[in-house]
Amino acid sequence: DAGVIQSPRHEVTEMGQEVTLRCKPISGHDYLFWYRQTMMRGLELLIYFNNNVPIDDSGMPEDRFSAKMPNASFSTLKIQPSEPRDSAVYFCASTRPGDTQYFGPGTRLTVL
Amino acid sequence: TQLLEQSPQFLSIQEGENLTVYCNSSSVFSSLQWYRQEPGEGPVLLVTVVTGGEVKKLKRLTFQFGDARKDSSLHITAAQPGDTGLYLCAGEGTTDSWGKFQFGAGTQVVVTP
Repeated sequence: DAGVIQSPRHEVTEMGQEVTLRCKPISGHDYLFWYRQTMMRGLELLIYFNNNVPIDDSGMPEDRFSAKMPNASFSTLKIQPSEPRDSAVYFCASTRPGDTQYFGPGTRLTVL
Repeated sequence: TQLLEQSPQFLSIQEGENLTVYCNSSSVFSSLQWYRQEPGEGPVLLVTVVTGGEVKKLKRLTFQFGDARKDSSLHITAAQPGDTGLYLCAGEGTTDSWGKFQFGAGTQVVVTP
């Protein structure tokens, strides 16, 4: 298996622009997680899905952030409008009951 | 607010030395995981501990879960440069939160030859 796939690996954008991060989980995994990692706050859970349904979005910072999972093999995290404080590495992870979480390589976002 | 406190934040040692990193919380966890993260990559799971007082060994790594399931430690014997990385602990809550882990801020370990 190719593991969790994230794209793009790097994104540089200007304040106010819309940013869309993409994730393809491991086939057969029915849980998908979005995390954000910064030096100041460490690794924070933003939202997670089970069978494509959002279960807990309490970690989503504000309304500028939204996440979707239209099918079992694809999820997006969108930031609109983006702000410099959104600069971070965003990770996607997937798992299934009884298994470990497998993290993707992350997307490094820089908002100028 | 971080529910899991990791210490130290940074540790630099020479090859062959031993090291211990700690993960503490005021909360009880149903399970606790340790990950290692290398630059430009996502965290990779090292171990999961579930039972209070549990000790697990993985070659030169020893993991311990506190009796009250609130704290954990990771001990590395005879560290090697390949052990360099960010070590993260993550706790899973005891209520309806399967799979939802709270992560500590991490301990950056550097092992020099």
